[in-house]
Amino acid sequence: GAVVSQHPSWVICKSGTSVKIECRSLDFQATTMFWYRQFPKQSLMLMATSNEGSKATYEQGVEKDKFLINHASLTLSTLTVTSAHPEDSSFYICSTNPGGDNSPLHFGNGTRLTVT
Amino acid sequence: GQNIDQPTEMTATEGAIVQINCTYQTSGFNGLFWYQQHAGEAPTFLSYNVLDGLEEKGRFSSFLSRSKGYSYLLLKELQMKDSASYLCAVLDSNYQLIWGAGTKLIIKP
Repeated sequence: GAVVSQHPSWVICKSGTSVKIECRSLDFQATTMFWYRQFPKQSLMLMATSNEGSKATYEQGVEKDKFLINHASLTLSTLTVTSAHPEDSSFYICSTNPGGDNSPLHFGNGTRLTVT
Repeated sequence: GQNIDQPTEMTATEGAIVQINCTYQTSGFNGLFWYQQHAGEAPTFLSYNVLDGLEEKGRFSSFLSRSKGYSYLLLKELQMKDSASYLCAVLDSNYQLIWGAGTKLIIKP
């Protein structure tokens, strides 16, 4: 099946620094990438949808200047958390649906971000 | 608004059967997914239902009733490795995926 590789798996950073998370589609071209955030014991919350070659679409309440998304190629999408704060500590997961709108999502393994 | 309800937590015994229910109210419907998520890991796909009825896949089955806005995931011959959260998600009319909060399933020996 389709493989999405996400790096890093976990990262600890100091407050005020920036962290970049990468998601690569290894065996297919990902036109669209969905970025989710999940706090402990809560469900997945869609942050933004990125499309190759165009600006990302952010969900209400998500600061686009803080969570920078780049989808410059069909195999790579990145999420940069800028000026991270402890409240940004969460589990960030990318996903894509290579089969189209009603096909299952293929998820990256997630990135556990801890901001100290 | 759009809403998906599932129990927060369930407990079952190894070797037994458990049914996890999901009810939904969404703007349109283009299918319902069940995902399994182990602690600290990303979700993995279990099933997809778009027509009414039961879909069986090994020890796992998923049922859908569109008229009732209801689905369930049935797990048979429970194993300890089935301890995980089970997420119900519905595709609305705009093909937006609406997620439930997940059901944490605890399996006891």
